[in-house]
Amino acid sequence: KAGVTQTPRYLIKTRGQQVTLSCSPISGHRSVSWYQQTPGQGLQFLFEYFSETQRNKGNFPGRFSGRQFSNSRSEMNVSTLELGDSALYLCASRRAGTDTQYFGPGTRLTVL
Amino acid sequence: QQQVKQSPQSLIVQKGGISIINCAYENTAFDYFPWYQQFPGKGPALLIAIRPDVSEKKEGRFTISFNKSAKQFSLHIMDSQPGDSATYFCAASPVPLIQGAQKLVFGQGTRLTINP
Repeated sequence: KAGVTQTPRYLIKTRGQQVTLSCSPISGHRSVSWYQQTPGQGLQFLFEYFSETQRNKGNFPGRFSGRQFSNSRSEMNVSTLELGDSALYLCASRRAGTDTQYFGPGTRLTVL
Repeated sequence: QQQVKQSPQSLIVQKGGISIINCAYENTAFDYFPWYQQFPGKGPALLIAIRPDVSEKKEGRFTISFNKSAKQFSLHIMDSQPGDSATYFCAASPVPLIQGAQKLVFGQGTRLTINP
């Protein structure tokens, strides 16, 4: 069974630009969560989607947004990029009714 | 109140020894406590998890000890091997406001090195 896939794996943007990251969950998983990982702040929860609805949100500014499609694939968008947005963005999927989140390899975003 | 504090930040253990990583939390609404292992260039992978109604859970060489009254939980790796060298994260998730939802709050991580 294929794992969680994230595209692109690496991305370089400049301040003020916007970026869209994509996540394909494990087949049959309807919950998708996003996390930001940085050396200073560690792993921080961004949001969780289930059946195209956001049902959990972390403490990030409105520049961070996401959505989920009917096939459970998810995208997250960051607008007006700041230097501090440089991070590894991780997506995790979970089967309904279970606890285990399965993480993808992440997208490494660098903002110059 | 949403924090999970993890220690130590780094740990060096000899092959065959026991590695112990500790976590503490404040929020009594947490009801799910997983441990994740992360290798460089990879996403975290679940090692073992526990809920507050159990004080200990063992899976192979990995054991979680949970102390509800002290609001602490720990990971023990028995017979540590060089392949266990990785970063370990504890996490906690509160009782969800929406049924089925999950929001993991992670500790800062422990970089474990097992010397051969």
